[in-house]
Order: sequence, then C-alpha cells, then structure tokens
Amino acid sequence: DAGVIQSPRHEVTEMGQEVTLRCKPISGHDYLFWYRQTMMRGLELLIYFNNNVPIDDSGMPEDRFSAKMPNASFSTLKIQPSEPRDSAVYFCASSPGTRNTEAFFGQGTRLTVV
Amino acid sequence: GESVGLHLPTLSVQEGDNSIINCAYSNSASDYFIWYKQESGKGPQFIIDIRSNMDKRQGQRVTVLLNKTVKHLSLQIAATQPGDSAVYFCAENREKLTFGTGTRLTIIP
Repeated sequence: DAGVIQSPRHEVTEMGQEVTLRCKPISGHDYLFWYRQTMMRGLELLIYFNNNVPIDDSGMPEDRFSAKMPNASFSTLKIQPSEPRDSAVYFCASSPGTRNTEAFFGQGTRLTVV
Repeated sequence: GESVGLHLPTLSVQEGDNSIINCAYSNSASDYFIWYKQESGKGPQFIIDIRSNMDKRQGQRVTVLLNKTVKHLSLQIAATQPGDSAVYFCAENREKLTFGTGTRLTIIP
C-alpha cells in the first residue's frame, strides 16, 4: 500500500481565494482525520470521519473551513475564502479504528496564503 | 482541560548516548498512548504504543514506560543515532488522537 496520499504537497494562494486539499486514505481504513500543524498551536485535529460520515468537527476553526468524504477513498478539506492565518501544514491521517489504534499520516500539504 | 503534553521543547544528546523524552497527561481515563516521530518535511510516523494495562513496552532501540500513578510516560531511545533527529510527540487515543506539543531531539556528533 502506498500509504496516505495527499495533494498538493505545496500550495501558495492569494488571500480570498478558495483552496482545496485532497487526501486518499489507506484502503480498508474506516477512519480519516484532518490535522493542522503550526509552530504556535502544534498538531490540531480539525475533523474526523468514520465510514465517510463526519463524526467530530469541533476542531474546525470557522465556517470558512469545510470537509467532505464522498467515498471511502477520497476526502477534501476546503478553505473559502482563505486568509494568511490559515497558512500551515495540513495533514490527513487514516486508521482502521479510533480507540486504541494508531493513525497513519500522509506527507502533508504546506499551505501559504499571501 | 484534558490534555497531553511534553516537558521539554528541545533536547540535545550526544551521539551514542541514550535519550529520554518525557510526556505527561491529565486524564486518568486515558488508556492508550502512542509515540510518533516527525522528521523535517514529513508527516508523523508511528514509533511505539502502549496500553494502560502495561508499564513498559520495548521495541527496536526504543522503550516506552508508563506510570499511571503520576500520569507520566517516557520514550527511551538507546544508543542515539543521527537519524533519530526529529520532533517526537506523545499522543493519546480515546475517541480521537490528541497530540502533545512535541520535543525536538538534536543529536550532537
């Protein structure tokens, strides 16, 4: 298995533009997580899905952020409109379960909003 | 609030020495912990995990110790090598995987 695949690896966009980050989880994993990593706040869980259904989106910063999982092999995290403070590395991770199981991370998308 | 965190943001260790990275947690109901390693430009990678019914677990050159009485766990890396340079996170997984702030381990040649 190729692991969790994220695209793009790097994204530079202008403030106000829409940004879409993509993730392909490991096949057979029922859980998918989106994290944001910054120097100030570390690794923050934004949202996670179980069997394509959002379970907990309490970490999503505000309405500008949305996430979807239309099928078991694909998820998107969208920011509209983007702001400079959204600049961070966004990680997607997948897991065969939540409680008492490890999660496998993708390589991340480095987002820069100018 | 409930959290998991690390004691030191940075740690420098001589090559060949043992490294010890510490982590504290606040929720006594936490029963599963994971240590991740994150190298520059990469996502966190699983190193080792431990469940609350254990005090110690060993892997290849790594050992995790869990002290439930004081809500503390540690990661020990034996004979530290240059490739061990990274940021190390402890995480707890009850309903969702929650990370501590990380310790950057630097190896001194």
